[in-house]
Amino acid sequence: GAVVSQHPSRVICKSGTSVKIECRSLDFQATTMFWYRQFPKQSLMLMATSNEGSKATYEQGVEKDKFLINHASLTLSTLTVTSAHPEDSSFYICSASGWPGGSGANVLTFGAGSRLTVL
Amino acid sequence: AQSVSQHNHHVILSEAASLELGCNYSYGGTVNLFWYVQYPGQHLQLLLKYFSGDPLVKGIKGFEAEFIKSKFSFNLRKPSVQWSDTAEYFCAVFPSGTYKYIFGTGTRLKVLA
Repeated sequence: GAVVSQHPSRVICKSGTSVKIECRSLDFQATTMFWYRQFPKQSLMLMATSNEGSKATYEQGVEKDKFLINHASLTLSTLTVTSAHPEDSSFYICSASGWPGGSGANVLTFGAGSRLTVL
Repeated sequence: AQSVSQHNHHVILSEAASLELGCNYSYGGTVNLFWYVQYPGQHLQLLLKYFSGDPLVKGIKGFEAEFIKSKFSFNLRKPSVQWSDTAEYFCAVFPSGTYKYIFGTGTRLKVLA
């Protein structure tokens, strides 16, 4: 089945530094990848939608200059949290839309998530 | 605004009990509906989905869900839960003509052995 690999699973950084999170679709081409943020005891909050080769579409309230998203290929999207602050500490999850062979449209395959802790 | 409501935030059941988790959405058009499950320490996985056709869909591990269009609901059911069903369950809606999913807040299910 479809697999999405997300790396790193955990990262701790100092305030003011930048952190990059990678999301790779391992056995299918993901034309669209979604980045979510999950707060404790809350649902997944969509941050942005990235389409291969074009600029990401950010949700209202998400700072595009702080959360840089790049989707340079059909199998890789990256989220960079720039100048991270403690309030950016959260669980970030990527997902990809697509399926091997083109079937199963609109089914999301999720990465395992990345827990960011900003000191 | 479009939204998905999961009314049960925490559910505790004994093994072999029956399960029903509620999911209601607010959107008047065509939707694709999903239930995702997150087992402890694991990532979200698709449990079942509804795109069209028979409103009663069957998923993995004995789960099923029924789409009732008139009630804007897509409740998840399982006749007899097992300890291994302990997980968090998310209902999600993909409104037609949009590009994004809308997730419910999730229901934490704990099954006692």
